[in-house]
Amino acid sequence: DAKTTQPNSMESNEEEPVHLPCNHSTISGTDYIHWYRQLPSQGPEYVIHGLTSNVNNRMASLAIAEDRKSSTLILHRATLRDAAVYYCILRDTGNQFYFGTGTSLTVIP
Amino acid sequence: DTGVSQNPRHKITKRGQNVTFRCDPISEHNRLYWYRQTLGQGPEFLTYFQNEAQLEKSRLLSDRFSAERPKGSFSTLEIQRTEQGDSAMYLCASSLNFHLEQYFGPGTRLTVT
Repeated sequence: DAKTTQPNSMESNEEEPVHLPCNHSTISGTDYIHWYRQLPSQGPEYVIHGLTSNVNNRMASLAIAEDRKSSTLILHRATLRDAAVYYCILRDTGNQFYFGTGTSLTVIP
Repeated sequence: DTGVSQNPRHKITKRGQNVTFRCDPISEHNRLYWYRQTLGQGPEFLTYFQNEAQLEKSRLLSDRFSAERPKGSFSTLEIQRTEQGDSAMYLCASSLNFHLEQYFGPGTRLTVT
């Protein structure tokens, strides 16, 4: 199983940037790094993914370390709607996602 | 298209009974996944379909669990002789292709009493 390590919880003030870290020291060359988030009482929602280069989309940015052993999800301006559990996932050439326990983000108004 | 739907949203059953859940994926998506999520944990992969073919099953999927996707559209997940340990949220997801994101449904919450 591809493994990631994330802090259990983080807090951020509203309208400030949030950096959510993820360690994946056993990542292989073909593993994609995916981020999903899960709001209370909902199914997970795709946020962003990348392989080697940093990625940006309308929701967030993904910064990937040069050795690929860690990555950071960046929410540029946290809103109350961003309060969720954020999962960092490695996806290999198979079809299984290993979610782990994720980081619970609290946004303080 | 309104996304992935799952029915029922909640199911309470007595131990030993059989239950069946349904998932309707996004219509053009050929890949369909089932996951199980218990309280405080992330979703755990159960099984995966490409069109009507079930291509992968987790070792978590015991003999009491069976999944089908008969025409490559909707899928059903059946649990026979339910046990209290089966109480969980059962999530379905679909995707258009291997490398693209998975879209999740709202889940079916199963409670076994």
